Amino acid sequence: DAGVTQSPTHLIKTRGQHVTLRCSPISGHKSVSWYQQVLGQGPQFIFQYYEKEERGRGNFPDRFSARQFPNYSSELNVNALLLGDSALYLCASSLVPGGSGNTIYFGEGSWLTVV
Amino acid sequence: AQKITQTQPGMFVQEKEAVTLDCTYDTSDQSYGLFWYKQPSSGEMIFLIYQGSYDEQNATEGRYSLNFQKARKSANLVISASQLGDSAMYFCAMREGTGTYKYIFGTGTRLKVLA
Repeated sequence: DAGVTQSPTHLIKTRGQHVTLRCSPISGHKSVSWYQQVLGQGPQFIFQYYEKEERGRGNFPDRFSARQFPNYSSELNVNALLLGDSALYLCASSLVPGGSGNTIYFGEGSWLTVV
Repeated sequence: AQKITQTQPGMFVQEKEAVTLDCTYDTSDQSYGLFWYKQPSSGEMIFLIYQGSYDEQNATEGRYSLNFQKARKSANLVISASQLGDSAMYFCAMREGTGTYKYIFGTGTRLKVLA
């Protein structure tokens, strides 16, 4: 079975541009979360979606937005890119948003460099 | 506020030896989950092991075990019989409550296994 797939794997953008990152969850998983991992740090929670609705949001500016589609895939959008947005963006999927013992499974991430 | 602390930026271990990676956490919740993930240079976060706050026995998964000391708020990862392929970043994470998949990560420990 395919794991969590993300695209693109690497990309370079200029300050002020917009970027869209895509994620397909594991088959059967209905919840998708997004994390930002800056070099040398642990991942930081950005969003969680379940059944196309936002279920949680981290401490990120409004330039960051996301959505989930009927097939449970998801997009993360970042507007007006800043140099500080350079990071590894990780998508994770899970069966449902909560539940003791259930974990989330990550994709390989999208490496974003803003120049 | 919930927090995960990993005080070992880097660790070395000889092949076939055991190693302990430290993790302490802070939370006021009674119900929470603790996780360890491995991140090779490719970027993907690989789930290793899970411990629920109400689990009385320490979790084990193959060569991985979690030394859970609730009173001390510690959740150390023990890797037995280290292999060269274990060289990677290791992150301790905590899930807040049971109704969300917002994970809080530590800053990680880079493990290097020596031949």
